[in-house]
Amino acid sequence: AQSVTQPDIHITVSEGASLELRCNYSYGATPYLFWYVQSPGQGLQLLLKYFSGDTLVQGIKGFEAEFKRSQSSFNLRKPSVHWSDAAEYFCAVGEYKLVFGAGTILRVKS
Amino acid sequence: NAGVTQTPKFRVLKTGQSMTLLCAQDMNHEYMYWYRQDPGMGLRLIHYSVGEGTTAKGEVPDGYNVSRLKKQNFLLGLESAAPSQTSVYFCASSYQTGNEQYFGPGTRLTVT
Repeated sequence: AQSVTQPDIHITVSEGASLELRCNYSYGATPYLFWYVQSPGQGLQLLLKYFSGDTLVQGIKGFEAEFKRSQSSFNLRKPSVHWSDAAEYFCAVGEYKLVFGAGTILRVKS
Repeated sequence: NAGVTQTPKFRVLKTGQSMTLLCAQDMNHEYMYWYRQDPGMGLRLIHYSVGEGTTAKGEVPDGYNVSRLKKQNFLLGLESAAPSQTSVYFCASSYQTGNEQYFGPGTRLTVT
């Protein structure tokens, strides 16, 4: 069965510091992998996705993610966090029937 | 383009009442989805549709029905609401397999 694990429920980083959000998945075939962001009271917005090709994927808002098949991971990174990045982040896997992780809430300290 | 819109934005129901949530998209997408979001559980797929006139069950379909009579609309129905259906409901659409899903703003439903 497909599943996604986001080990960190909450993460707090200082503005300007680097960020890494973890995502591990279980999927039977080559996965489509996604990272979405949700601001409070809003819908979800796609940050980036991976299916094939270069394992380092660039997304919007300065985010990137690296696919590591051997570790079944798709971690999201940003070199320098801005206060506006405070939100909830979801990792998802699937071709169209997406399975989402439980989410990681990012808090940014000024 | 309005993207994906959902009606209503908020609703309070009493146990046993029925209601229909409406999702509309103006991007000519084939695939449409209904998810529910609960704290600490991420989003879970309720039902989905891969084209006009088709529907299929997702991960948590019990207590819900759907219809896709027109390509641009996807309706989610609750025939007899239960407190366990208190949640935030999101509709999404995508062009086809593997493509980005575009999400609506959500409907916050409370069942008392």
